[in-house]
Amino acid sequence: DTAVSQTPKYLVTQMGNDKSIKCEQNLGHDTMYWYKQDSKKFLKIMFSYNNKELIINETVPNRFSPKSPDKAHLNLHINSLELGDSAVYFCASSVGQGLNSPLHFGNGTRLTVT
Amino acid sequence: GQQVMQIPQYQHVQEGEDFTTYCNSSTTLSNIQWYKQRPGGHPVFLIQLVKSGEVKKQKRLTFQFGEAKKNSSLHITATQTTDVGTYFCAGPGGSQGNLIFGKGTKLSVKP
Repeated sequence: DTAVSQTPKYLVTQMGNDKSIKCEQNLGHDTMYWYKQDSKKFLKIMFSYNNKELIINETVPNRFSPKSPDKAHLNLHINSLELGDSAVYFCASSVGQGLNSPLHFGNGTRLTVT
Repeated sequence: GQQVMQIPQYQHVQEGEDFTTYCNSSTTLSNIQWYKQRPGGHPVFLIQLVKSGEVKKQKRLTFQFGEAKKNSSLHITATQTTDVGTYFCAGPGGSQGNLIFGKGTKLSVKP
């Protein structure tokens, strides 16, 4: 029973393409997130949704568009992929808004843009 | 903006040696969380500290929160090869009230 699952696990694509990553959590959490982890392992928040509403939108190119159809799902669509988008993208969820609640991370999606 | 600094960036130890990673914040934290990420894996929550001066233990791991709630440490006694991974601290306080992660300490253990 995977608590936070994201697909695909690996994504290799060419510059300029559009791709999506999907995330689902079965923990009943209200808040979901997308984090980006670069090659130096730095974890940086991109977006946060609470009950389908966007609550955090860090400085991210508008080529990245999150979508939350319901509170159990948070997808990430990326337009016109660039080399610098190569990273591991983690979906996460928490009971509250993450300030006082542990984050539960998915297994990550390793995106490679060539 | 608030920063969470973590040192050292890397630590190589012989199995059986102790290991400590330190986390410092530029501002007072309401709480601090610690995560472990195994190589190729995802961050996994270890613990949350809330009270000033708090000390919590999980087997060989000891977590401390400073009196001023601006620093924290994770100490592992007698490391094992299973302790290998990157340890992150995280505290609230991003520009939009989100959790800020330190850059992590990567621990390698030589058997």
